Amino acid sequence: GAVVSQHPSRVICKSGTSVKIECRSLDFQATTMFWYRQFPKKSLMLMATSNEGSKATYEQGVEKDKFLINHASLTLSTLTVTSAHPEDSSFYICSARRSSYNEQFFGPGTRLTVL
Amino acid sequence: GNSVTQMEGPVTLSEEAFLTINCTYTATGYPSLFWYVQYPGEGLQLLLKATKADDKGSNKGFEATYRKETTSFHLEKGSVQVSDSAVYFCALGNSGGSNYKLTFGKGTLLTVNP
Repeated sequence: GAVVSQHPSRVICKSGTSVKIECRSLDFQATTMFWYRQFPKKSLMLMATSNEGSKATYEQGVEKDKFLINHASLTLSTLTVTSAHPEDSSFYICSARRSSYNEQFFGPGTRLTVL
Repeated sequence: GNSVTQMEGPVTLSEEAFLTINCTYTATGYPSLFWYVQYPGEGLQLLLKATKADDKGSNKGFEATYRKETTSFHLEKGSVQVSDSAVYFCALGNSGGSNYKLTFGKGTLLTVNP
């Protein structure tokens, strides 16, 4: 149990386009989902926390207008990178927290490359 | 605030060698402690966890003991295998307001040679 999927696993896009990444909890309801960014050979940086049905809470320094997060249901959260630029190229990982559990379950990650 | 400091790598070992990756933390309250493993090109997998002082987490031959007196959660394995080659992250989990957040260390790259 507690499986989290991400789609797509890899995406290559042109500069200036927008890219949407989906995060799904497959066998449980996730009241909270988290989005992380991981730079090469670096740790995970928490970008934002999203609760189902409410606005995401962004970490300091993360542009909310650039990284749009929607948590429309208890099993789905989406991250849209708007007007992507090469510096947005990174590995994006989501995680989901099951109700009443103090543990996060991680998705396999999405590799974004902006040309 | 919360912080996690873990041993910087990279760590290179021969197969069957003993592994220790040090991890210390700073936290308010009573955090849970985790070790995650990340294989190349993949997301994070929970390796083991401990939720209170003196708990020992264990999985796949790896162990870590939650030491409150030294604020540590060192990862150990008695005999590593080539398949253990990965990046290992120590993490601390704590409630931040109404959300439960994880704070990660910087990760330690382990390479095990045959």
